[in-house]
Amino acid sequence: QQQVKQSPQSLIVQKGGIPIINCAYENTAFDYFPWYQQFPGKGPALLIAIRPDVSEKKEGRFTISFNKSAKQFSLHIMDSQPGDSATYFCAASKGTSYGKLTFGQGTILTVHP
Amino acid sequence: NAGVMQNPRHLVRRRGQEARLRCSPMKGHSHVYWYRQLPEEGLKFMVYLQKENIIDESGMPKERFSAEFPKEGPSILRIQQVVRGDSAAYFCASSPQSAAHTQYFGPGTRLTVL
Repeated sequence: QQQVKQSPQSLIVQKGGIPIINCAYENTAFDYFPWYQQFPGKGPALLIAIRPDVSEKKEGRFTISFNKSAKQFSLHIMDSQPGDSATYFCAASKGTSYGKLTFGQGTILTVHP
Repeated sequence: NAGVMQNPRHLVRRRGQEARLRCSPMKGHSHVYWYRQLPEEGLKFMVYLQKENIIDESGMPKERFSAEFPKEGPSILRIQQVVRGDSAAYFCASSPQSAAHTQYFGPGTRLTVL
């Protein structure tokens, strides 16, 4: 059972554009939603995370929007750069004391110069 | 402060051999997780360990796979009698006890089964 669904599978934008990656979850017990960035041949790196008690969180050029009633959350990358080209994964877990992460399928982002 | 370390980075095994993957968590982290990433797929949880304890192994295949995190030394993911379907990238992550959800990943071990 796929508990976190991510879309689109791939995304191409021009430099300066605002790519948006969406995720939807099924399990209402999830209460921590991180995003990871992965470059080829590397491990995933924690980018930004949100709890369901807020609807938006910004860190630098990265913003998470969270809609608890729709069970959806999304990542926006402002002023995207070619160096942002990577695979992005959303994830979810139940509680901060239990770390098992359930990942989405990933989105391959390409930012053209 | 060194990050999560994994070795080897690349491992080639023939069918039927054993694969041993090692993970040293970040300093001060007492929780270790193993995930598997098949080509062009997301990461799938395998097992969650604390020192000398397996907390959750719900993602581990029932046969041939085992994991440990001894009191001293790295965590080990062991795959016995490997098959071609075991070819994947295996990632280890660690977290502090105070924030088990905040996981930092190692660079992974890419296992190829010939």
